[in-house]
Amino acid sequence: DILMTQSPSSLSASVGDRVTITCRASHSIHSYLNWYQQKPGKAPQLLIYAASTLQTGVPSRFSGSGSGTDFTLTITSLRPEDFATYFCQQSYTPRTFGQGTKVEIK
Amino acid sequence: QVQLQESGPGLLKPSETLSLTCAVSGYSISSGYYWGWIRQTPERGLEWIANVYHSGTTHYNPSLKSRVSISLDTSKNQFSLTLNSVTAADTAIYYCAREDVKIVEIGGVSYGYNWFDPWGQGTLVLVSS
Repeated sequence: DILMTQSPSSLSASVGDRVTITCRASHSIHSYLNWYQQKPGKAPQLLIYAASTLQTGVPSRFSGSGSGTDFTLTITSLRPEDFATYFCQQSYTPRTFGQGTKVEIK
Repeated sequence: QVQLQESGPGLLKPSETLSLTCAVSGYSISSGYYWGWIRQTPERGLEWIANVYHSGTTHYNPSLKSRVSISLDTSKNQFSLTLNSVTAADTAIYYCAREDVKIVEIGGVSYGYNWFDPWGQGTLVLVSS
């Protein structure tokens, strides 16, 4: 299985901050990388697919980059509704997820 | 708008069989896409279980393959998951999701991108004696 490792596991930030979350794959996954946001008690929601394509309806302050083994999710100006947990996921079989990054209010 | 809704037993005893159903509205599951199951625990995080293509082709996580089965019921527009011989380690929130696929050709090479969207709200399954 391809192991997905996110860093950091958690971070504290303020509204308006720029936030960067990284995801590293144990093997090259081309651009087969997706990002999800999960709020407490809710299912994950797709933010970005194919490493850098913003899902319809997702605000443009979210962006993704990377290919191969190293990927980044960036939120350019954190808003109150962005405090949540973020997961990366690779789409080879078996699909695997990162352990999550919790973005908390400073 | 496509919506998915899981249903299941909630509480099982060890060694029993878990059966979950995902009802899909707003789209005919026989028309396209993969349909899948993912579970989540605080200890192991998000774990992909299986998917089934609209044609009926299935894929399983090797870690669960010996105990799991996924199937479509096109007459009811739903798909199901069966997990045999459950233990406490199978306690989790179980989500169903549609898996979208986009084929992109770059330099004569085809790349197939997959992602989960949308997800059901999830159903908690507790395995306890």
